[in-house]
Amino acid sequence: KQEVTQIPAALSVPEGENLVLNCSFTDSAIYNLQWFRQDPGKGLTSLLLIQSSQREQTSGRLNASLDKSSGRSTLYIAASQPGDSATYLCAAMDTGRRALTFGSGTRLQVQP
Amino acid sequence: DTAVSQTPKYLVTQMGNDKSIKCEQNLGHDTMYWYKQDSKKFLKIMFSYNNKELIINETVPNRFSPKSPDKAHLNLHINSLELGDSAVYFCASSPQTVKSYEQYFGPGTRLTVT
Repeated sequence: KQEVTQIPAALSVPEGENLVLNCSFTDSAIYNLQWFRQDPGKGLTSLLLIQSSQREQTSGRLNASLDKSSGRSTLYIAASQPGDSATYLCAAMDTGRRALTFGSGTRLQVQP
Repeated sequence: DTAVSQTPKYLVTQMGNDKSIKCEQNLGHDTMYWYKQDSKKFLKIMFSYNNKELIINETVPNRFSPKSPDKAHLNLHINSLELGDSAVYFCASSPQTVKSYEQYFGPGTRLTVT
């Protein structure tokens, strides 16, 4: 059974810093890995999706990497802004059922 | 132009009642899902449907019954509500393409059972 872990659980940084959020998964037989953002009391917004055959994806100031063999993914946020404050969730999609297994999230606070 | 919508957004009800949550997607996707986010913010898959056919049915009490009248709708009916059912329920959809099964989430329904 897939298990997804995110470290750290919470992170507070000053505005302008570059930061890395970590995600690890126990079963490397994944179809893809998605990173989401969740604002308090809101739904999930998809940020990046990395297919199992890919190593990384980039969107603006965000870069996500995937190392299937080691069961790890990272989300890199460049030049953080207060508007980046949210909970970031990673989720691994299994190859059979196409269901996502979520980590517990990293709560990010960017201080102005 | 909402992609995945859910109604209601908030639902407060008493133990023992029966309630339904509706979900609709206008993305033309073939697969729809229900996820539950508990008080610790942990998201877990409950059900998925592909073209009205049940694909995933996790270990969920049979008081929960999904219904898909067509591939754009997946409703969740809950019988005999219990305190532990209080959570946020998210609907999601995804295309069935070789390139991507990217999931798109609705805004969630916050269910409070008193």
